[in-house]
Amino acid sequence: DTEVTQTPKHLVMGMTNKKSLKCEQHMGHRAMYWYKQKAKKPPELMFVYSYEKLSINESVPSRFSPECPNSSLLNLHLHALQPEDSALYLCASSLGQGRGYTFGSGTRLTVV
Amino acid sequence: QKEVEQDPGPLSVPEGAIVSLNCTYSNSAFQYFMWYRQYSRKGPELLMYTYSSGNKEDGRFTAQVDKSSKYISLFIRDSQPSDSATYLCAMSYTDSWGKLQFGAGTQVVVTP
Repeated sequence: DTEVTQTPKHLVMGMTNKKSLKCEQHMGHRAMYWYKQKAKKPPELMFVYSYEKLSINESVPSRFSPECPNSSLLNLHLHALQPEDSALYLCASSLGQGRGYTFGSGTRLTVV
Repeated sequence: QKEVEQDPGPLSVPEGAIVSLNCTYSNSAFQYFMWYRQYSRKGPELLMYTYSSGNKEDGRFTAQVDKSSKYISLFIRDSQPSDSATYLCAMSYTDSWGKLQFGAGTQVVVTP
């Protein structure tokens, strides 16, 4: 299995909703990442988990809450989002040092 | 000044031509270099990964890294309409569980 699987593929949520994005990989990668990508822009890092511990938080607002239940799973919990948070949310995993850095297909999030 | 500079294009070439893409960077601490292809509304797909100066070839793709000039390139031979996508260069540091630093991405259009 050489894939990073993200669900759902599309999500529409209101500003008062709570939702979660899910990410799964079975490549034995020990680092997992959340990126946010706006249209015609490169991905921007949000969070890094290495060995299931949060190692980098790029000053992301608290309405985004990551969780790493085990080495294969990564969640992103969403609460009280704003319309400007609408974007493609990408999960990735890697072996470290840039090796095997693999992205999922993303969740396209629309906040209404 | 951005750490990684990449011309956003668009770059339009006729089918069968060689596509030439490049990025420059300012931080000599970057040691690992990647090229990703991203189709519209999809996640980035890793094309090439290198960690030393020189050339690396994979099918129709050739990646070049010149660390002395802080310059990397990607060449696509015998381009096809299916190569039409955005191409992102990305780099990471030696200690890296951390983030990839992306260029802006170059939109490539291969016309039949």
